Amino acid sequence: AQSVTQPDIHITVSEGASLELRCNYSYGATPYLFWYVQSPGQGLQLLLKYFSGDTLVQGIKGFEAEFKRSQSSFNLRKPSVHWSDAAEYFCAVGLPYGGATNKLIFGTGTLLAVQP
Amino acid sequence: DAGVTQSPTHLIKTRGQQVTLRCSPKSGHDTVSWYQQALGQGPQFIFQYYEEEERQRGNFPDRFSGHQFPNYSSELNVNALLLGDSALYLCASSSASGGAYEQYFGPGTRLTVT
Repeated sequence: AQSVTQPDIHITVSEGASLELRCNYSYGATPYLFWYVQSPGQGLQLLLKYFSGDTLVQGIKGFEAEFKRSQSSFNLRKPSVHWSDAAEYFCAVGLPYGGATNKLIFGTGTLLAVQP
Repeated sequence: DAGVTQSPTHLIKTRGQQVTLRCSPKSGHDTVSWYQQALGQGPQFIFQYYEEEERQRGNFPDRFSGHQFPNYSSELNVNALLLGDSALYLCASSSASGGAYEQYFGPGTRLTVT
C-alpha cells in the first residue's frame, strides 16, 4: 500500500541554523510529491511540489526539496531558519485515480520549533 | 482573489447528531476534496467531487456523504456522530484540467463531538 513516512515527529533548531526535514514514500511509480506547512489552528499551505524534471525544486519562503528516486525520498531543506518558520510540516504523495482525479496521502507531520 | 473558504469555523455537536460542513473552492477550480485531520495526525482523504459526482473515496463509512453544487461548492455531511469524529475537517480545491494534483486547502472546520 502507498504510504508516506516522516521519521522525525519533533525537531528543534536555532534561528539562523539550517534545516532538513525527512520524507520517505512507498509507491510503485514516480509519484507527485508535495510539502505543506500548517500553522496552529490553520489550514495547509503548499510550500512546493515535484511532478517531473529537475529533482531539486524551489518553493516559497526560501524552502527547497530534493527528489531522490533511489532512496524514495523527498527531503525539505532551508539554509537559514527564521522564527516564523515554527509550524508543522507535512509531506504528501499525489496518487492518480483515473481521469482528472487524484488524492493526497499525507505523512504524520514534523513539528518544528525554533529557538531564539 | 478569494482562496478556499469553509464554514463554520467551529462546531460542537452531541453524539448521534448530524452535521453539515460547507466549502467554496478557489476561483477557477472545479474539483473539491475533503480530508479529516485528527489531533496530532496528518490529513486523511475522505472523498473527492468533480462534475457534481463523487469520483473516489477513502476508507470512511457511509455515514460520511457529500454533495457538489453546479457552482462547484461542496458540502460534507456526517450522520450519527461518534466521539471519534471530532477532528479538523479540511476542504481542498483543485483544477481537473491540471490533473487535480495541486490542491489548495481552506482553513478548516473544527468539529467537536461531546
